[in-house]
Parts: sequence; C-alpha cells; structure tokens
Amino acid sequence: RKEVEQDPGPFNVPEGATVAFNCTYSNSASQSFFWYRQDCRKEPKLLMSVYSSGNEDGRFTAQLNRASQYISLLIRDSKLSDSATYLCVVSWEGYQKVTFGIGTKLQVIP
Amino acid sequence: EAQVTQNPRYLITVTGKKLTVTCSQNMNHEYMSWYRQDPGLGLRQIYYSMNVEVTDKGDVPEGYKVSRKEKRNFPLILESPSPNQTSLYFCASSFLGVMNTEAFFGQGTRLTVV
Repeated sequence: RKEVEQDPGPFNVPEGATVAFNCTYSNSASQSFFWYRQDCRKEPKLLMSVYSSGNEDGRFTAQLNRASQYISLLIRDSKLSDSATYLCVVSWEGYQKVTFGIGTKLQVIP
Repeated sequence: EAQVTQNPRYLITVTGKKLTVTCSQNMNHEYMSWYRQDPGLGLRQIYYSMNVEVTDKGDVPEGYKVSRKEKRNFPLILESPSPNQTSLYFCASSFLGVMNTEAFFGQGTRLTVV
C-alpha cells in the first residue's frame, strides 16, 4: 500500500465550480501536512499547510482528519489559473522524512 | 531575491560518466534535500541534510551521493549514472526541518542517461 494516496485525476471542472480533493496517508506518526501546487513539471510551490483545526486562504480550504488519516483540499469558484497538479505532502521523523502523493491533476475549463 | 538554484537544468549523459548536479540557496536555510520525480511515482526523497556535514538517506539513496561542506550548497553526485536514474530532480531548502515549514524548490534538473 502506498504511504500517501491521491486520485491522479484528471478532474475537469468548469470555471466557477467547487472541487474537492482528498489524500490518505498510512503512517500514523506523520507530523506535518501540506498541499503543494505543481505546474506542468515545474517546481512545486507551497499552497497551504494543513491543520486539524482547518485553515482557509481565500478560495482554498484545507482540513486534516487525524483519526481517519486523510487530508482534504477544497477549491471554491475555480479559476482557469487553478489548473495544475496538487501534491499532498506528509512528513514524519522530526519533519525530516517526506512522502509526496503522486498528485491530482486539475483542469479548469472555460 | 530568495531562491534555490540548480544547475544544469537539462543534462544528457552516458552510462557510467560521473556527474554532479549543483544546488545553492541564498536564504541561510539549515535544511536541504534532494528529490526525484518519475511519472506515476511522485517525488521521492533521495537525501537530506540538517546542517553542514550532517546528511542522511531518504527513500531512494542508492546510486547517489551528497555532500554539505557549506551551508548554502548541497550538490548531488552520481558516481556511475545508469539509465534508471533518468528522471526530473529537485533540490529544496527550508528553515525549520526538511518539511516542517515551507520548502523552497529549485527549478529542477531534467537528467537523461543513455
């Protein structure tokens, strides 16, 4: 079983739609959780950190569920510029070991 | 401008010919790491470093070496590259842990070994 699992998609959604991604992780000792965005094989860039209390940044909301070992990302009012691959990232062992999911590809269509 | 710089960006080499991919950061970060990205596998951690002269293996260290003689530099060395090391490589640096706060990635090095 993969340590971090994501649906690779692609998710094709119209502009203005709300879309949600989930990511499950198998290591219960995981310590930090993130969503990174990657455009077309360019470098990943941090989208948001993920906390149990949930966090929101504009149209983006991320949530961590430690009991069920998954994290989620909700994008509201999708824009064309949101088209990218979204990477779920988990760290453990003092934040030194890192596992990335394979990424979920989002395509927002006009 | 805060950045992580990798060189070269693209490299085609032959099996067995030693190569080094350089990585440099200007943010005075203590933590640096190397990843490779392959289709269907996502990014996988190769090596990481917690400070000068302190390095440790990630998930896929075989066939790679690293060194951290200066805080700003973390080169990745392939002593005898093989075709299965054809991949997209990313270097990253961060302030508090390899992945505790935001990690900043270089632009990537696309390596082809023939």
